[in-house]
Formats: sequence, structure tokens, C-alpha cells
Amino acid sequence: QVQLVQSGAEVKKPGASVKVSCKASGYTFTSYGISWVRQAPGQGLEWMGWISAYNGNTNYAQKLQGRVTMTTDTSTSTAYMELRSLRSDDTAVYYCAREITGTNDYWGQGTLVTVSS
Amino acid sequence: QSALTQPPSASGSPGQSVTISCTGTSSDVGGYNYVSWYQQHPGKAPKLMIYEVSKRPSGVPDRFSGSKSGNTASLTVSGLQAEDEADYYCSSYAGSNNLYVFGTGTKVTVL
Repeated sequence: QVQLVQSGAEVKKPGASVKVSCKASGYTFTSYGISWVRQAPGQGLEWMGWISAYNGNTNYAQKLQGRVTMTTDTSTSTAYMELRSLRSDDTAVYYCAREITGTNDYWGQGTLVTVSS
Repeated sequence: QSALTQPPSASGSPGQSVTISCTGTSSDVGGYNYVSWYQQHPGKAPKLMIYEVSKRPSGVPDRFSGSKSGNTASLTVSGLQAEDEADYYCSSYAGSNNLYVFGTGTKVTVL
């Protein structure tokens, strides 16, 4: 069965960086993309970006360009999302999701990132 | 890229139907047949309920149906059950600049 298992919760200070991992299993990793979506406390879903697990091509939300980097390691079927220069409004649950044209069908369990001094 | 517009809340009694709208633009909802709907229970990850406007993934009850007209997509939940009480989000493919955009979310309450 398809599973996406994310790394554990993080607490970071403003200005720091965070790197969240997402390990995929149950499907051919390189046949799909990975989307990253975040959800601030009590708020809606926000699409952050996408990476092709086939060739590493990326597409980032304009508001995050320059602060976010998405990568994959095909040897371990793991995707990574790094967010730099963290601010308090980056506090959110971060989700990875398997992407196939037009939709995100399976989601990880989420990783809470708290930014606080 | 602005979020798609959904009503903040919707409600219905058990057995009734509820319909949620999702309004975008010709650059997202109206431009592609790639509208998805997600159900999210408190503290849980979103779950795909509808993709490509009206298709249901395996395991999703046929009480859930989707449609689209112009720049507005809709999700209908028929025969409401207690477990349908959740937040629902639409999403649309939005082209090569920002691939996806989500809706503002609708809280469905089963009375």
C-alpha cells in the first residue's frame, strides 16, 4: 500500500532553517511527483511547490521562491523540503503528497514546524 | 495566485444532501479539468475524495460527487452521515507558474 512517512516535529528559532523528509513506499517513486503543502494553525491548505521524482524538476510557489528548496533521493525513495530564513508565520504543519497530473492522491501524516524565539 | 473561494460553512441533517461551491478563474478551475476535493478531519491529513472534477478514488463512497460549470466547481455529499462532518478543500491545477491552488475551505456540520 502507498505510504508517505514524514520526519518528526521541529522547533526552530527565527532565521534558522528546517529540512523535512518524506519517505515513500508501496509504489515506484520515480513515476510520480511530490507536492509539499502547509497548513498554519487554524488555517487552510497552502501549496508550496512540487518536485518531479523522475528528473528533479521543481516548481515553487512564487511567495516562497528563494527560501525553499525541494530535493529527492531516489536511492531511498525520500523527498526533502528545506525552508530557510524561518519566520513566525512559517509555523505550520507541513505535508508531502504524491502527485500525479492534476491531483495529489496520497498524503503523509504531517510534520509540525514551530518557529519561536 | 489567489485562493479559490469556498463558503466557510455548510450543514445538513443526516440523510440530507449538502453542496459546496469552489469558485476560481479561467486560469485555474475554468481552464483545466483538474479539480480535486479533499476531506480533512481535525488533526488528520487531507484525504482525496474527488479528482479530475468528478472521478472517485477507490474506496470513496458514491455519496460523494463532483461537477464543474465554467469557473465554479461543486462537491455534493448525498445521504449525509455523521462521519462526513469535516473540513473540505477544493484544489485546481493552475498552470506552469504555480501548479496548484487550494480553496479557502468549508466546514461541513452534520446537524
